[in-house]
Amino acid sequence: QVQLQQSGPGLVKPSQTLSLTCAISGDSVSSNTAAWNWIRQSPSRGLEWLGRTYYRSTWSNDYAVSVRGRMTINPDTSKNQFSLQLNSVTPEDTAVYYCARDWGYESFDTWGQGTMVTVSS
Amino acid sequence: QSALTQPASVSGSPGQSITISCTGTSSDVGSYNLVSWYQQHPGKAPKLMIFDGSKRPSGVSARFSGSKSGNTASLTISGLQAEDEADYYCCSYAGSNTFEVFGTGTKVTVL
Repeated sequence: QVQLQQSGPGLVKPSQTLSLTCAISGDSVSSNTAAWNWIRQSPSRGLEWLGRTYYRSTWSNDYAVSVRGRMTINPDTSKNQFSLQLNSVTPEDTAVYYCARDWGYESFDTWGQGTMVTVSS
Repeated sequence: QSALTQPASVSGSPGQSITISCTGTSSDVGSYNLVSWYQQHPGKAPKLMIFDGSKRPSGVSARFSGSKSGNTASLTISGLQAEDEADYYCCSYAGSNTFEVFGTGTKVTVL
């Protein structure tokens, strides 16, 4: 059974960097079939897919247009986890952030528990 | 890329069937059979209910079914039960620039 465990701060100051980590158990971040995603949810923006990292003989990342250039997703094979960094945050980035596995069918079968991140001074 | 359009709310009595629509464009729902549906109870993470437009993951009740016609996907819940009361979201693959787009969400109320 695959499980995802999120960690990271719940409060970030404006203009700083939001960093979250998602630890994987029951699967591998280096899986050749899965992709590892970040998704956020806020009352104003609803559910919003942010980006993903995946391994298909080489590592690749895809990002949503809305965060492209501001977001980085990195796999950590030594710890079997992946991370999110979102730079130059504003109050608009306040949301519940989820990590999720795409199991190979362009859908998300496993989700982390969610982390409420507030951007405020 | 705009969110897929869903009705804000749908309601039904126990035992009835309800259908939730998810309207996109020819760039997402209309071009790919890669629509998924998620159920979300308050304070919980979303749960995958349908993938590839009409397939159910192991463990999901057969009361949940999905379909698509043109740019609109649909989720039908038959034999409505109290535990089905939740928010439901669709999601579609939208090509190699946008990747994934979610719907606006529908609150299902069991009367």
